[in-house]
Amino acid sequence: EAGVAQSPRYKIIEKRQSVAFWCNPISGHATLYWYQQILGQGPKLLIQFQNNGVVDDSQLPKDRFSAERLKGVDSTLKIQPAKLEDSAVYLCASSQSGQGYFGYTFGSGTRLTVV
Amino acid sequence: QKEVEQNSGPLSVPEGAIASLNCTYSDRGSQSFFWYRQYSGKSPELIMSIYSNGDKEDGRFTAQLNKASQYVSLLIRDSQPSDSATYLCAVDNYGQNFVFGPGTRLSVLP
Repeated sequence: EAGVAQSPRYKIIEKRQSVAFWCNPISGHATLYWYQQILGQGPKLLIQFQNNGVVDDSQLPKDRFSAERLKGVDSTLKIQPAKLEDSAVYLCASSQSGQGYFGYTFGSGTRLTVV
Repeated sequence: QKEVEQNSGPLSVPEGAIASLNCTYSDRGSQSFFWYRQYSGKSPELIMSIYSNGDKEDGRFTAQLNKASQYVSLLIRDSQPSDSATYLCAVDNYGQNFVFGPGTRLSVLP
């Protein structure tokens, strides 16, 4: 079973620029999550999709972050414009339908550095 | 927003000793609890899950849950240098997703 795929692995941008991250979940996993992990902290949920619908985006900074999962499979997370404090690892995870009762499987993450 | 607390560490133990990692959570209604291991520069990896009060053992790992005290712990027996990592406690959030603690950094000294 292929894992959660994310790209790119690393990205360096200047503040006020835009950036996009891509995630392809494990085949058949209906639920997809984007987490932000700042160095030294635990992952924080940004947005959760069930198929192509949003379940929870309460912690997504909607003035600069957006995400979509148009066909219920892969997803894109965008930041525009980026701030220095957006420097973090962006983790995508997926689970079978439901809350992920058996735990998430994370992708390898995208490390974003904003300079 | 639910809160999950962990000692940030670092927790240092000698090789072969028992490492004890602790986690407390704020919501009495939480039902599912997980421990993830995260090596430096890598993504979190699920190592244990527990849903009922008591102990759950898996190899050298034992998870302990006490819902009355809102406390979950992870014991690592016969600690090895390869166990050196950050351990993240995760608690379910109204059955929708997980809230993670800040993690405890464990260092196993040879």
